[in-house]
Amino acid sequence: EDQVTQSPEALRLQEGESSSLNCSYTVSGLRGLFWYRQDPGKGPEFLFTLYSAGEEKEKERLKATLTKKESFLHITAPKPEDSATYLCAVQAGYNTDKLIFGTGTRLQVFP
Amino acid sequence: DTAVSQTPKYLVTQMGNDKSIKCEQNLGHDTMYWYKQDSKKFLKIMFSYNNKELIINETVPNRFSPKSPDKAHLNLHINSLELGDSAVYFCASSAGTGVRQPQHFGDGTRLSIL
Repeated sequence: EDQVTQSPEALRLQEGESSSLNCSYTVSGLRGLFWYRQDPGKGPEFLFTLYSAGEEKEKERLKATLTKKESFLHITAPKPEDSATYLCAVQAGYNTDKLIFGTGTRLQVFP
Repeated sequence: DTAVSQTPKYLVTQMGNDKSIKCEQNLGHDTMYWYKQDSKKFLKIMFSYNNKELIINETVPNRFSPKSPDKAHLNLHINSLELGDSAVYFCASSAGTGVRQPQHFGDGTRLSIL
């Protein structure tokens, strides 16, 4: 069965303290891996799509990487406004655009 | 301008009632979705429509019935509400099926069953 696991469940960082969030997946036929950010009371906001192992994407302080078994979301010198829950999702198989989500990492950045 | 909008934002009702949630997108997208996020924040797909045609129907009780009157709207009707239906329901849309079309979400409808 296709599965997505995110770790850690929660992460507290001091402003400027860089770290990484992990998303490991077990799927048959990965077609794409997505990162979303979700603020309290809001819907997930799209950040990145990664398609194949070795691919990297960056946006401001965020950088996403992909291997054959996992993806990392690196946060460099985070700011308090980066506090949110970060969700990872995979799209697998053919003839379907269903996203399978992990349970997220809740990030808190303190000034 | 809100891209994907849902109404109502909050819905509190009694067990056994029937209720509807509406979703509209102004992105010109062809595909729309309903997801359920439970108390542990786990987000799971329920339905997907492409050009008003149902293409994904996960194992959802048949008390849940989606309806797509046109490409820009996807409503969710729930009959005989149960305690376990309490959750946040998210609508999403994408430009089409396929991995290169990210899904864009609304801000959710928080459903509470008393």
